[in-house]
Amino acid sequence: AQSVTQPDIHITVSEGASLELRCNYSYGATPYLFWYVQSPGQGLQLLLKYFSGDTLVQGIKGFEAEFKRSQSSFNLRKPSVHWSDAAEYFCAVGAGSNYQLIWGAGTKLIIKP
Amino acid sequence: DAGVTQSPTHLIKTRGQQVTLRCSPKSGHDTVSWYQQALGQGPQFIFQYYEEEERQRGNFPDRFSGHQFPNYSSELNVNALLLGDSALYLCASSLAGATYEQYFGPGTRLTVT
Repeated sequence: AQSVTQPDIHITVSEGASLELRCNYSYGATPYLFWYVQSPGQGLQLLLKYFSGDTLVQGIKGFEAEFKRSQSSFNLRKPSVHWSDAAEYFCAVGAGSNYQLIWGAGTKLIIKP
Repeated sequence: DAGVTQSPTHLIKTRGQQVTLRCSPKSGHDTVSWYQQALGQGPQFIFQYYEEEERQRGNFPDRFSGHQFPNYSSELNVNALLLGDSALYLCASSLAGATYEQYFGPGTRLTVT
């Protein structure tokens, strides 16, 4: 069965510092990979997606993610975080033809001034 | 271009009651998925509707049912509410040919007392 692991429940980063959020998945083939962000009390906003091709994908708000097949990972990065990036980040996987997204438990990003 | 809309925003119900949540998809989208997000967790897939039929269902009991209308809007019904049904209910819309690329509404916060 497919699964998604986000090993870090929360991460604290100073404003202006770089960020990397980890995501590992379990699936036999290459899945569709997504990162979403959720601000408190809000719905989910799609940051970026990977379907195929170039393994480094660019998203909105200055985020990027890299797909590494050998490590079954799809880590999210940002070179310099802003206080407005404080939110919860979810990695999700779509695989096969069952039409549903499988989600990680999320990583809460805290920004230190 | 209107995004995904959901109503109501918040709802308080008593155990044993029934509730109906509503969702209008993003303009041009024909597929609607419903998710339950408990506090501190990632979303859990409930079901997906396409062409007015349930196309895929997650691991939720029959108390959870849905409907899709000819204009692609959708309802989620939950019968015999339990305290454990308290959660944020998210609706996501997509195109049938790009089902994994889902756009989310702001959610309905259901509290069962």
